[in-house]
Amino acid sequence: GESVGLHLPTLSVQEGDNSIINCAYSNSASDYFIWYKQESGKGPQFIIDIRSNMDKRQGQRVTVLLNKTVKHLSLQIAATQPGDSAVYFCAENIDNNDMRFGAGTRLTVKP
Amino acid sequence: GAVVSQHPSWVICKSGTSVKIECRSLDFQATTMFWYRQFPKQSLMLMATSNEGSKATYEQGVEKDKFLINHASLTLSTLTVTSAHPEDSSFYICSAALRGGKTQYFGPGTRLLVL
Repeated sequence: GESVGLHLPTLSVQEGDNSIINCAYSNSASDYFIWYKQESGKGPQFIIDIRSNMDKRQGQRVTVLLNKTVKHLSLQIAATQPGDSAVYFCAENIDNNDMRFGAGTRLTVKP
Repeated sequence: GAVVSQHPSWVICKSGTSVKIECRSLDFQATTMFWYRQFPKQSLMLMATSNEGSKATYEQGVEKDKFLINHASLTLSTLTVTSAHPEDSSFYICSAALRGGKTQYFGPGTRLLVL
């Protein structure tokens, strides 16, 4: 079936650098996307969302980009900090309550 | 806002016993709650969708008689793992959606270890 996937399972960046986490989705009917951050032993934490009628949305130090042409979603984290180390999941919402998660990318920030 | 709690956070039980996990939306009413299971180094797998006042909808492959879900109020859903076995050991996470909303807010998770 259609699913959400990630290009990179792990990402290591230097503190202060920018991070880019990518996600590919295959369901063209998806109209809402969310990025979650999950620290070890904790539940996922909402970071930012974007609707399919937008191609960019900015939050505090984070930006989500949506390219519907190639079905690609990315999360950019500016000035990455050690506290950003976690697993990041993208999720796509197909129907009102049907949300599917990608495999996750582990971000490690080196001091 | 949009805080979800789970209780307990940790549970260790003997094989064959039943375990109940509670999920509460603390500052909002959630018409829909979701239960996920997550194995180490894996993504979240949806087990079931729970709507207040109605029967839960289970994902394919999830035994409804083993994972009993009750959503008796707009702020509480419970998951009972019946006759737990070691293979049921996992991290169970609930989420809740605001009325009419798509965004799911997650609880902190419950780690279950069945000996």
